[in-house]
Amino acid sequence: TQLLEQSPQFLSIQEGENLTVYCNSSSVFSSLQWYRQEPGEGPVLLVTVVTGGEVKKLKRLTFQFGDARKDSSLHITAAQPGDTGLYLCAGTTSYDKVIFGPGTSLSVIP
Amino acid sequence: DARVTQTPRHKVTEMGQEVTMRCQPILGHNTVFWYRQTMMQGLELLAYFRNRAPLDDSGMPKDRFSAEMPDATLATLKIQPSEPRDSAVYFCASGLVWTGMNTEAFFGQGTRLTVV
Repeated sequence: TQLLEQSPQFLSIQEGENLTVYCNSSSVFSSLQWYRQEPGEGPVLLVTVVTGGEVKKLKRLTFQFGDARKDSSLHITAAQPGDTGLYLCAGTTSYDKVIFGPGTSLSVIP
Repeated sequence: DARVTQTPRHKVTEMGQEVTMRCQPILGHNTVFWYRQTMMQGLELLAYFRNRAPLDDSGMPKDRFSAEMPDATLATLKIQPSEPRDSAVYFCASGLVWTGMNTEAFFGQGTRLTVV
């Protein structure tokens, strides 16, 4: 069974601070996605990483896929209150199944 | 603006009653996923379909849950009989998947189910 773990589970920071959240697995995934979910809504796709070692940037968000395609990180620079939400990583298995990690709940305090 | 539509948004029902949740995937998407989200378990994959055919429903309690796609514009998730432990938010997601390509899931707003 392929499982994804995320850390930290909860994170509360002040506006302007930087942060990194992690997604780890013992399994290899063909691709990995990051989603953000706000209360009362479904997860919204932020980015997909495919190649080991790949780095993608989305404004203040930097996503990295591990060389072995088993882990990923999300770094946010100068966090803003609008970044508050549940950050979920998801992996695509060899059968095109998308499974999710438990998420990191981020709170950015003004 | 293409989006996944789920109905109802909220459902409160008594234990033992049948519950049916509906999902209209994004037009042209060939894959539909059903997930259940709770605080304790997070997002659990219940079942998914490719070109309307069920590929995997190993995440569903077989005795009470069933998922179908009667046509390309409708997916249903049924619980019969419902139990309080089924209380959760149920999400439908759709995606366009080609073999060997990435699977990106686009989610609906969910159905919040409460079984009392």
